[in-house]
Parts: sequence; C-alpha cells; structure tokens
Amino acid sequence: GESVGLHLPTLSVQEGDNSIINCAYSNSASDYFIWYKQESGKGPQFIIDIRSNMDKRQGQRVTVLLNKTVKHLSLQIAATQPGDSAVYFCAEKNYGQNFVFGPGTRLSVLP
Amino acid sequence: NAGVMQNPRHLVRRRGQEARLRCSPMKGHSHVYWYRQLPEEGLKFMVYLQKENIIDESGMPKERFSAEFPKEGPSILRIQQVVRGDSAAYFCASSLAENSNQPQHFGDGTRLSIL
Repeated sequence: GESVGLHLPTLSVQEGDNSIINCAYSNSASDYFIWYKQESGKGPQFIIDIRSNMDKRQGQRVTVLLNKTVKHLSLQIAATQPGDSAVYFCAEKNYGQNFVFGPGTRLSVLP
Repeated sequence: NAGVMQNPRHLVRRRGQEARLRCSPMKGHSHVYWYRQLPEEGLKFMVYLQKENIIDESGMPKERFSAEFPKEGPSILRIQQVVRGDSAAYFCASSLAENSNQPQHFGDGTRLSIL
C-alpha cells in the first residue's frame, strides 16, 4: 500500500507485482519529463523520458504515462524486483528552463 | 568510466572552513548543473554553467557559495565559511546540449558534513 512517511511517500509492493508511482507536476508549459531512480548513496539514474507530444512511452519493464489535462505523470514497473527498491523522482522541464524535481517516492519491494 | 565523476565522495568540514566540491562531466558534455539534496527530499537546482560561463545561478545562495567551470579541468562548487545548514548531498549533472530537452546525467554526489 501507499503511505506518507516523515518526508517521502512510500509505496510497498510484493515482488512480482506491478508498481505504479505517481507524480503531479506543476507547470502546464512543461514539455519534457523524466523519471529518475535513486538508490541509497548514489546519484539519480535516468530511467525513461517522455515529451509532451506523447501520452505513453515504453521501455524495458517500465512505462511512462503522461496526462497533460490534469498535469499527471506516472511510472509503471512490471514484475517488480528487489533491485527496483529505490527512491523515484519525476522531473519536469520547459525548453530553455531548468529541470524541476518532484519530492520523490520510495519504492519498497517486499519478498 | 565515462560517467559524471564527483569528488570527494564524502567531505567533513568544521564550521568556518571552506568546502570545495569537484565535478568532471561526461565526455563530450560541456554543460554542468549543480543540485543540493537534503535527506528524504528531492533535488534543488543551484547553478548551471557552461565552459567559463555561469548561465543561471538563480538557485544558489548569494553569499558564501560560488561555482566555476574553467576552460580546463573540472567544475568546482565552493562554499566558504561553512555552517551546519550546509550539510547535504551535492550532485552534479551534465548534458550534451544547451538546456535542451535531453536527459541530464548525474554523478554519485559529494556528501558534505559540517561538524
């Protein structure tokens, strides 16, 4: 289930289940979005990106969905594995501007 | 390793000392970004540099903080007269093109601790 921790919301899923991590972005003019994965003690690692002229993009075991009407971005991870445990950040950008990062969601994969 | 390299990985300073954080971008990248991250929080933009130029420093405190990206060598984030509140993880990212819609690639950060 999903819960709000001291700072980071946490999503707990069973190994093998699908995970859906959500992100509400703030700027309706943003036209480029990225999901990053950050493991403990490491820097953010690029997972997948999507431009505003698309509403879905698929990678290996991951899918990003973009709903511009409600300014919502989601990351779906299929068949979640223990190695997927990390903090996931969405980042939005308007061309010529800097990236703005969301607060992050901690994904915890239960055995 | 062709990725973004940051050093040191951990840096301990006493209040009042200076901290210097270094970042070498990915090969071929000439755009560098510095971010600050507090525990359990997201990344906050600090400064964007190209070689020998500061493009956007809107996220960097006006006092005690400075950044450079010289023609030769790594980008440096410098914090003078450090205070306890400067304790954080500082990440550097680089990109190929000028603030375009392309991914930024991150280093593994420098964790700064102020005693």
